[in-house]
Amino acid sequence: KAGVTQTPRYLIKTRGQQVTLSCSPISGHRSVSWYQQTPGQGLQFLFEYFSETQRNKGNFPGRFSGRQFSNSRSEMNVSTLELGDSALYLCASSWLGALNEKLFFGSGTQLSVL
Amino acid sequence: AQSVTQLDSHVSVSEGTPVLLRCNYSSSYSPSLFWYVQHPNKGLQLLLKYTSAATLVKGINGFEAEFKKSETSFHLTKPSAHMSDAAEYFCVVSPLGSGYNKLIFGAGTRLAVHP
Repeated sequence: KAGVTQTPRYLIKTRGQQVTLSCSPISGHRSVSWYQQTPGQGLQFLFEYFSETQRNKGNFPGRFSGRQFSNSRSEMNVSTLELGDSALYLCASSWLGALNEKLFFGSGTQLSVL
Repeated sequence: AQSVTQLDSHVSVSEGTPVLLRCNYSSSYSPSLFWYVQHPNKGLQLLLKYTSAATLVKGINGFEAEFKKSETSFHLTKPSAHMSDAAEYFCVVSPLGSGYNKLIFGAGTRLAVHP
């Protein structure tokens, strides 16, 4: 069974640009969540989607957005990139996104903003 | 608000010696707690989780953790370290009432294992 797949693996952008990251969950998983990992702030929750609906959101500015498609694949978008957006963005999937459910993480997309 | 504090940012052990990674949590009620591991250039993997069924939780790769309410701790242990255990370990809490899958991560403990 294929794991969580994130593309691209690496991205280099400049300030002011926008970027779209993609996440394909494990087959059958309907919940997809996104996390940002930086050396300074650690791992922080961005948002979670289930059946194309955002159910939960972290404390990030509106420049960070996401969506989920009917096949459960998810994308996140960051507009007007800032230097501080440089981070590893991790996607995780699970069956239902229930409270104690095991999350399966992808290897992440490393975004560098110059 | 619920949170977790990992007491050591770096831990170094010799192969074959015990591992202890410390985590304290802050919560007004019994939380759901997890330990995740992150190997270089790889995603996070669940080691074990506590959901109030038993205070001693056994995980994968020989790791276990004990939930101690009186000490608000959830330390991760392993009797004998292996070179392949070198990685970053995260203590995680899933806040009750926060909604689905909103995990709060500790700052992480980097474990080094020396031959």
